[in-house]
Amino acid sequence: NAGVTQTPKFRILKIGQSMTLQCAQDMNHNYMYWYRQDPGMGLKLIYYSVGAGITDKGEVPNGYNVSRSTTEYFPLRLELAAPSQTSVYFCASSRPLGTEAFFGQGTRLTVV
Amino acid sequence: TQLLEQSPQFLSIQEGENLTVYCNSSSVFSSLQWYRQEPGEGPVLLVTVVTGGEVKKLKRLTFQFGDARKDSSLHITAAQPGDTGLYLCAGVGDNYGQNFVFGPGTRLSVLP
Repeated sequence: NAGVTQTPKFRILKIGQSMTLQCAQDMNHNYMYWYRQDPGMGLKLIYYSVGAGITDKGEVPNGYNVSRSTTEYFPLRLELAAPSQTSVYFCASSRPLGTEAFFGQGTRLTVV
Repeated sequence: TQLLEQSPQFLSIQEGENLTVYCNSSSVFSSLQWYRQEPGEGPVLLVTVVTGGEVKKLKRLTFQFGDARKDSSLHITAAQPGDTGLYLCAGVGDNYGQNFVFGPGTRLSVLP
């Protein structure tokens, strides 16, 4: 069972470059989330989606964009990478809110 | 904004010792979850507590939800090196949209 799959696992970007972090889930979950985890910190919510075509901002959305055209995919876009975006990014999905959140293995992003 | 605090931030103990970690908030949550995260991996759900005063046991782990549903504790009996990891609590509330609020985590190291 694949669960939540994130690609790439590692990436180094130069300041000002853009990239898309990919996230796919095969559990038919309506809810999907993007978090970032900085050293010594918990998970900060960037964006979330409650279903295809519906997205909303979380706690730290600046510098990011998302789309949700299908139930399975929830890509996260960084348009102009900045050093402050150096972090580990996790995608997660769940059935209704409050049920188990399933996480991908994360993408470690470094902006230099 | 709902905030979750966790204590201690770091804990290093010898195999066989008991320990308790805490998760506290000034806000009420409809449910609270505990996750464990190992290096290079995403968090994995351990338990969900829903009712104030609820106690759940998972082998050597005992979870308690406070009567007022603002706090929780995780007690580990006879810790083993395999318990090493980052323990995150996550609250599900009604006044921050439809998502999980994560605490900063307690990093546990169990030495053989």
